[in-house]
Amino acid sequence: GDSVTQMEGPVTLSEEAFLTINCTYTATGYPSLFWYVQYPGEGLQLLLKATKADDKGSNKGFEATYRKETTSFHLEKGSVQVSDSAVYFCALGRNTNAGKSTFGDGTTLTVKP
Amino acid sequence: DVKVTQSSRYLVKRTGEKVFLECVQDMDHENMFWYRQDPGLGLRLIYFSYDVKMKEKGDIPEGYSVSREKKERFSLILESASTNQTSMYLCASSPLGTGDTGELFFGEGSRLTVL
Repeated sequence: GDSVTQMEGPVTLSEEAFLTINCTYTATGYPSLFWYVQYPGEGLQLLLKATKADDKGSNKGFEATYRKETTSFHLEKGSVQVSDSAVYFCALGRNTNAGKSTFGDGTTLTVKP
Repeated sequence: DVKVTQSSRYLVKRTGEKVFLECVQDMDHENMFWYRQDPGLGLRLIYFSYDVKMKEKGDIPEGYSVSREKKERFSLILESASTNQTSMYLCASSPLGTGDTGELFFGEGSRLTVL
């Protein structure tokens, strides 16, 4: 079955540092890949997505590229801010009537001034 | 703007009580999901539904039931709450149509404490 393996956290960075959170997946077929973000006390919200191989998703300075050859979808940001402190979830999704998503365990990012 | 609304952000219940968590979406989505989130355990799927009156067990259905009488509403029921059901509960929905990707739309969560 599907699985998502996400870089373990927590991750602590200084403001303006470079961020990478690794994500690899195991899946059959052609799933879509997502990064969701959860700010303290809130639900998850979509950060970015990619629906096919070599697609790059981007939003708010974050980027991730769907790499089928390495089965990866690593999240990157060139310069993090304190406001980026949150929990980040990598996920795999399918558009079917039993389209359950598969989530990684989440990575807690803390950015210090 | 798309919206998933969970009826209560915070609830405190006693052991043995029956608890209803309500979720409503205004996007006409076919799929709806209930997850629980616990520290160190990530998101775990409790139940999901892909149509009115249809339901499927997720990974941890024990102690829970669900109801979907209308397309927009998906309720999670704890028949007899126990302390180990203290958790954050997240509702989500997703569309099912050509071009849809399986993206989930989440509510803000309901934090349940069972005493």
